[in-house]
Amino acid sequence: GAGVSQSPSNKVTEKGKDVELRCDPISGHTALYWYRQSLGQGLEFLIYFQGNSAPDKSGLPSDRFSAERTGGSVSTLTIQRTQQEDSAVYLCASSLTRSEAFFGQGTRLTVV
Amino acid sequence: GENVEQHPSTLSVQEGDSAVIKCTYSDSASNYFPWYKQELGKRPQLIIDIRSNVGEKKDQRIAVTLNKTAKHFSLHITETQPEDSAVYFCAARNINNNDMRFGAGTRLTVKP
Repeated sequence: GAGVSQSPSNKVTEKGKDVELRCDPISGHTALYWYRQSLGQGLEFLIYFQGNSAPDKSGLPSDRFSAERTGGSVSTLTIQRTQQEDSAVYLCASSLTRSEAFFGQGTRLTVV
Repeated sequence: GENVEQHPSTLSVQEGDSAVIKCTYSDSASNYFPWYKQELGKRPQLIIDIRSNVGEKKDQRIAVTLNKTAKHFSLHITETQPEDSAVYFCAARNINNNDMRFGAGTRLTVKP
């Protein structure tokens, strides 16, 4: 596609349920980033994929969070046993090496 | 890993005045410094960037400066307009692995 696509755009889930958030990066982009943005807050780094290298998972807030990137393209961020504090906008971005990163429109997650 | 500090967190200026946002970074391996603008409810979008081999870059009313020795960089907006009101994020990216970390953001308000 022409840009980074994320789905769903909105997700409401019950506390304790698992959710999967999807990111389709721009074709050919080797770098893929996940960030979390709580209401009115900054961009909290979660995880970063670069080509075939091992991902940098240092930003994942707990072991309930995991992410994978299949075939160097689509990425899925999974949150298990969701908690209310997980409510936020989850943003994905992709880039070529040493160039501008483009953001998706985000997934707004609400845990009730 | 990289740590990016950004200040101020909020900035209010009169239309026509200048606005300056400052960031510092910790990792000397960072070599690419983009600035993103995020309007309410929208995704962050790149407005200007600078690489470590230059000290200043201008694009119309926007300029960025970089001091590698001191590890700080700044965004300057001149002749501010109400449509400049948004949250601005600085970021630093590592030359070795493409990892990118963001500052906490500055909410700029331009009063007409």
